[in-house]
Amino acid sequence: GAVVSQHPSWVICKSGTSVKIECRSLDFQATTMFWYRQFPKQSLMLMATSNEGSKATYEQGVEKDKFLINHASLTLSTLTVTSAHPEDSSFYICSAEQGGRSTDTQYFGPGTRLTVL
Amino acid sequence: AQSVTQLDSHVSVSEGTPVLLRCNYSSSYSPSLFWYVQHPNKGLQLLLKYTSAATLVKGINGFEAEFKKSETSFHLTKPSAHMSDAAEYFCVVSDQPNQGGKLIFGQGTELSVKP
Repeated sequence: GAVVSQHPSWVICKSGTSVKIECRSLDFQATTMFWYRQFPKQSLMLMATSNEGSKATYEQGVEKDKFLINHASLTLSTLTVTSAHPEDSSFYICSAEQGGRSTDTQYFGPGTRLTVL
Repeated sequence: AQSVTQLDSHVSVSEGTPVLLRCNYSSSYSPSLFWYVQHPNKGLQLLLKYTSAATLVKGINGFEAEFKKSETSFHLTKPSAHMSDAAEYFCVVSDQPNQGGKLIFGQGTELSVKP
């Protein structure tokens, strides 16, 4: 149980285009999802917290207009990287908490590798 | 503020020998602590979690960790390393234990296992 999927697993795009990444909780409802980015050989950095039906909360230094997050249902959150540039190339990972449970256990997706040319 | 420090960026062991990955934490209150493992180009898998129920926490794949408040440590151990254990390991603290708060990650320790 508690499986989180991401799609696509990898994507290559041209500079200036937008890319959408999906994060789905497959066998549970997730009222809260989180988006992280990870540079090579580095740790995960939280970008934003996504709550179903409300606006995402962004961490300091993360541009909300560049990284658009939508959490329209209890099983799906999307991250759209708008006007992507080479410096946005990274490994993007989402995680989800099971809805209705006051725990801090997050279940992580397999990640999406974005390469911007 | 909560934080974790992983004392080794890289640990190398031989197959069949013990594994020790060190983690110290800083927390204003009783923390929730985790160890996650990440295999290359994969997502993170939860190995174990401490939430004050017991100081010695047993996880998956033979891993365990001991919470030592006096030393503010939460080191990860395994009696006998397997080749499949080679991966990146993250020590993690929750900034709001049992309230669904943010996770704060350590810098990671890369474990290599030699045949």
